[in-house]
Amino acid sequence: EVQLVESGGGLVQPGGSLRLSCAASGFTFDDYGMHWVRQAPGKGLEWVSGINWNSGRIGYADSVKGRFIISRDNAKNSLYLQMNSLTSEDTALYYCGKGADGGWGRVDYWGQGALVTVSS
Amino acid sequence: EIVLTQSPGTLSLSPGERATLSCRASQSVSSNYLAWYQQKPGQAPRLLIYGASSRASGIPDRFSGSGSGTDFTLTISRLEPEDFAVYYCLQYGSSLWTFGQGTKVEIK
Repeated sequence: EVQLVESGGGLVQPGGSLRLSCAASGFTFDDYGMHWVRQAPGKGLEWVSGINWNSGRIGYADSVKGRFIISRDNAKNSLYLQMNSLTSEDTALYYCGKGADGGWGRVDYWGQGALVTVSS
Repeated sequence: EIVLTQSPGTLSLSPGERATLSCRASQSVSSNYLAWYQQKPGQAPRLLIYGASSRASGIPDRFSGSGSGTDFTLTISRLEPEDFAVYYCLQYGSSLWTFGQGTKVEIK
């Protein structure tokens, strides 16, 4: 059974940093691309970033480019999102998603999310 | 960036009725890489349709997707009580993915 468990969320001040982690199990992690998608309170879904199986292809939404860094450790079956220069606009539930293939395919499984609140 | 516009914003229907949801793209979606997700309150999204018309594993056949290029449709043939939720389209054909703003299907 595919399981994705996000951690690292919390309350951070504007301008601060936070690192999210996503622990994956139930599938061969290094065979699949992975993505981060967020949802602000009461709002819709927003794709944040994606990474292919070997970190050779990485993409970011314009809203986070230059501030967020996605990475993965295939030996640890883990996905990460380093978030810097956070603003109130980054307050959201952050979902980790498993791609359907090793490249840029659709997300077919999601974690339950990690809540990030940016506030003074 | 490809902008996806979903309509209507809210659809008020009764159980047993047919639901038709639209997703229009600002430019052609490469290889029809268009997916539909269902989200219920407090839950993560669930993949329903990918590649514009392929049903994901375990999805009932009352859900169907159609369309190509810039115009896509999700149809729920007969609404069941558990189908009342918010539905999002996603294009994953470009390096920068984008979601539609969502359509809420509510009980009339």
